[in-house]
Amino acid sequence: AQTVTQSQPEMSVQEAETVTLSCTYDTSENNYYLFWYKQPPSRQMILVIRQEAYKQQNATENRFSVNFQKAAKSFSLKISDSQLGDTAMYFCAFMLPTGNQFYFGTGTSLTVIP
Amino acid sequence: IAGITQAPTSQILAAGRRMTLRCTQDMRHNAMYWYRQDLGLGLRLIHYSNTAGTTGKGEVPDGYSVSRANTDDFPLTLASAVPSQTSVYFCASSLWTGYHEQFFGPGTRLTVL
Repeated sequence: AQTVTQSQPEMSVQEAETVTLSCTYDTSENNYYLFWYKQPPSRQMILVIRQEAYKQQNATENRFSVNFQKAAKSFSLKISDSQLGDTAMYFCAFMLPTGNQFYFGTGTSLTVIP
Repeated sequence: IAGITQAPTSQILAAGRRMTLRCTQDMRHNAMYWYRQDLGLGLRLIHYSNTAGTTGKGEVPDGYSVSRANTDDFPLTLASAVPSQTSVYFCASSLWTGYHEQFFGPGTRLTVL
């Protein structure tokens, strides 16, 4: 079975600074997808960024980027120029192409301090 | 309807009662999912459906059943609710399974007493 581990239950960052959230996973599969989802206090789940395992290049979406290390099975999220609206719970997730296995980590609660 | 909706928003239920959580999407997505979110455990997949007429079990399917009679609706049924099913339930959909973004509903907070 696949597992996803987020070892930082809580983190905080000063506004405008950079923060990195860690995620590791365990799988014997070679082809899979990785995601970061954000859940603000409104409870709505929002996709932040995604990565295909066969792509070497790290994904980037505006202020959000990932450091994907396939051999180390690591998928960290970097948030640059942190904004107050980034305060949320962040979940790392893993999915197989078959779609029948989608695993979330336990989440990291990020607080951006003014 | 715009996106994905869930009903009810919240519910308090006596143990042993039957309950159906409703989920409807208007995006013509093929794949739909049900998750439960518990404090400290993140989201766990209960059941999924790759396309209308098909369903499959996720990580924690026991005590739950689903049906997918058409593209838009994906109800989740608790046949005989137990207190351990107290949770927040999220329905989600995506165009297809795999790399496609999942769109989540607003969630249903269920309390089983």
